[in-house]
Amino acid sequence: DTEVTQTPKHLVMGMTNKKSLKCEQHMGHRAMYWYKQKAKKPPELMFVYSYEKLSINESVPSRFSPECPNSSLLNLHLHALQPEDSALYLCASSQGPGLAGGQIPQETQYFGPGTRLLVL
Amino acid sequence: AQSVTQLDSQVPVFEEAPVELRCNYSSSVSVYLFWYVQYPNQGLQLLLKYLSGSTLVKGINGFEAEFNKSQTSFHLRKPSVHISDTAEYFCAVTYGGATNKLIFGTGTLLAVQP
Repeated sequence: DTEVTQTPKHLVMGMTNKKSLKCEQHMGHRAMYWYKQKAKKPPELMFVYSYEKLSINESVPSRFSPECPNSSLLNLHLHALQPEDSALYLCASSQGPGLAGGQIPQETQYFGPGTRLLVL
Repeated sequence: AQSVTQLDSQVPVFEEAPVELRCNYSSSVSVYLFWYVQYPNQGLQLLLKYLSGSTLVKGINGFEAEFNKSQTSFHLRKPSVHISDTAEYFCAVTYGGATNKLIFGTGTLLAVQP
């Protein structure tokens, strides 16, 4: 089973709202990712969590706040977003780093179906 | 800088015809290659991957790809396409080192016509 689930499927929010996106996987993976994808573009990496700790932040604005409450769950908290933040938000997971701690470039990332966000 | 190039933004093809989607990467000693497919309004699904070993890799839905180190290419092929293959196809690479950060190409829209 290589399933990553994301909720909600669609989200419409105003610029003053606070909302959260949720991602879940039960494959025992220890690395989880958030990507942002604009129309007709490839996904852009936002954050990487490894063993529930933030390991990569690709200079994402603070209005996006990730959280990894446990090894199966990844949240993305949204606050005071701008219309240009409207996009498809994808979650992914992979097996995670080995005992030595380094990440494994051969790892396969498995993606969820995404949350389509519209900011008005 | 490490990069992935998909020169064709769109490839129109008739149903049951063969297709090749091109992918080139910047050279590196160790490289790991992936093809993902994205159907309309969906997430990315892994089609196939090359990590090591045989340079011809078979994936799901009848797709295959060949790793060519001398030409730094990883082209995706299918001998006979179906309407249901219409989707965006992304080539992606990770490089040996301390990170598993995926570097994506810009994508190729495969448009299968009846």
